[in-house]
Amino acid sequence: ETGVTQSPTHLIKTRGQQVTLRCSSQSGHNTVSWYQQALGQGPQFIFQYYREEENGRGNFPPRFSGLQFPNYSSELNVNALELDDSALYLCASTALGHVNTEAFFGQGTRLTVV
Amino acid sequence: SQQGEEDPQALSIQEGENATMNCSYKTSINNLQWYRQNSGRGLVHLILIRSNEREKHSGRLRVTLDTSKKSSSLLITASRAADTASYFCATYLQGAQKLVFGQGTRLTINP
Repeated sequence: ETGVTQSPTHLIKTRGQQVTLRCSSQSGHNTVSWYQQALGQGPQFIFQYYREEENGRGNFPPRFSGLQFPNYSSELNVNALELDDSALYLCASTALGHVNTEAFFGQGTRLTVV
Repeated sequence: SQQGEEDPQALSIQEGENATMNCSYKTSINNLQWYRQNSGRGLVHLILIRSNEREKHSGRLRVTLDTSKKSSSLLITASRAADTASYFCATYLQGAQKLVFGQGTRLTINP
């Protein structure tokens, strides 16, 4: 089990609503990345945060936004939810000073949009 | 688009048999990693192989890397029911801290 924790574990929202997902990174890790995993697919990179700033973004619209806090924890916000946003959202932490190392994933938040 | 593609998409074997999964990728890499995912939960890192390595072992896992063919394989020996999971290969795009995953191989170990 990694030291990355995500909350909540499950969430049901209505189309058009907004959602905030939370992630606490592993101790000593200053970089947090968020991934979206649709059913039966591999995880897709949403964005990464380092030193409280976005440090790379995947092919996701601006209604996907994030924050990183001084303690390196992070939030993922999604506005104007669409049915296709239903997925498992994964948070991963790494130590940016160590390039291309393993990522430590949380257990994910299962978001269902109805 | 996916950087890596796993093959087969699904694999079902008897307990005790060996399981082999393959991964192909598109661009130059520094390393390639394999992850396991149980029942739609978080991913667990299994093994990392660097681009200058050809083979690596960890317990019952054996990973090979052929950079000339841009491919890797994961072998699980003496499989157990607990090995039932989805397995993903992943690489970092050069110059980015962005892990790119394949679609995974769904492995089922039958008792």
